[in-house]
Amino acid sequence: ETGVTQTPRHLVMGMTNKKSLKCEQHLGHNAMYWYKQSAKKPLELMFVYSLEERVENNSVPSRFSPECPNSSHLFLHLHTLQPEDSALYLCASSGWGDEKLFFGSGTQLSVL
Amino acid sequence: SQQGEEDPQALSIQEGENATMNCSYKTSINNLQWYRQNSGRGLVHLILIRSNEREKHSGRLRVTLDTSKKSSSLLITASRAADTASYFCATFPDTGRRALTFGSGTRLQVQP
Repeated sequence: ETGVTQTPRHLVMGMTNKKSLKCEQHLGHNAMYWYKQSAKKPLELMFVYSLEERVENNSVPSRFSPECPNSSHLFLHLHTLQPEDSALYLCASSGWGDEKLFFGSGTQLSVL
Repeated sequence: SQQGEEDPQALSIQEGENATMNCSYKTSINNLQWYRQNSGRGLVHLILIRSNEREKHSGRLRVTLDTSKKSSSLLITASRAADTASYFCATFPDTGRRALTFGSGTRLQVQP
């Protein structure tokens, strides 16, 4: 266990559905991240939150909407996704001044 | 653009042999990190080497960094079947975006 918990572990959704991915960390970290991992591609940084403020939005389509209500929780709201959005979505956290990331187990998303 | 690129993409060895994976990157870095990922799971941090370090050890892991060649290597000695996983290098820049950029990874298979 890394101290970062993601739910659900697996998600299948249609293109018209709305769903949310949840991430929770119990490490006292103050930065949280969303990464996307597609087959045979490097991990892509999607969003970074530091002290609950979004500091990075890496040209992600608006059908992905992040939310960070506090330093322990991070959500990724999904709506009208496309089949190419099928991937493993990974949440990570890090402490202040610590460049090392702690990852959750990911949510394997399939868009039909 | 992709920062780190691992070589080889896939590696298959026998238990007890050493495994060497290489990583090349393009821009100036503050540090370089190696992570491990078991199939369908999150990444786990293995080791961090700073730009002013040339070599670092952690158990059976040995990492080298050559900033003049913008390259790093990860050596796993006396490999075990449990070392079977994907290994990723990730770079933390010394300026600009303060977030890790990952390579495509090396898939290591250790045959018992």
